[in-house]
Amino acid sequence: GQSLEQPSEVTAVEGAIVQINCTYQTSGFYGLSWYQQHDGGAPTFLSYNALDGLEETGRFSSFLSRSDSYGYLLLQELQMKDSASYFCADPYSSASKIIFGSGTRLSIRP
Amino acid sequence: DTAVSQTPKYLVTQMGNDKSIKCEQNLGHDTMYWYKQDSKKFLKIMFSYNNKELIINETVPNRFSPKSPDKAHLNLHINSLELGDSAVYFCASSLARGSYEQYFGPGTRLTVT
Repeated sequence: GQSLEQPSEVTAVEGAIVQINCTYQTSGFYGLSWYQQHDGGAPTFLSYNALDGLEETGRFSSFLSRSDSYGYLLLQELQMKDSASYFCADPYSSASKIIFGSGTRLSIRP
Repeated sequence: DTAVSQTPKYLVTQMGNDKSIKCEQNLGHDTMYWYKQDSKKFLKIMFSYNNKELIINETVPNRFSPKSPDKAHLNLHINSLELGDSAVYFCASSLARGSYEQYFGPGTRLTVT
């Protein structure tokens, strides 16, 4: 079956760096998207990796390795406002169906 | 200006009732989606329309019927509501079919009692 696996929870300290992993098993894979969702809010798009390697956008970076069917979201200089759920997604899965990972809840401690 | 809007934001209703959720986007996008997010926060696509044409129709009970009067609007009608329908329903849009960036509405929290 098609799936994207993420850890359910990650805890980190304010100011630190945290990595949220995503392993995927999908057919017709083209790339990996990342979304952030605060409690009670809507998912918002963060980044997309079509090619292997690291994409940097401010404090957030995203990485993809097609050979390992693996990607991650890297958050640096963590702030309390980064406490949220993070989802990886395959936007081009077979039959144009977007598939989301199960989400990782990031908790940040002062 | 709200890019993707949904009404209502909250919906509390009894089992067996019929209800509708409306969605509108002012981004000029061609493709719109309905997602269901359950209590465990799992996001699952239900339907997708591209220029008013249904392109994704996941395994969803036929009590759920989407309707797209034009490419800026996508509504969701639910018949004979059940307890298991309680969830947050998100509408989203993207520039085109298969675009990697989707814009989500604020969600509609449906509670069936």
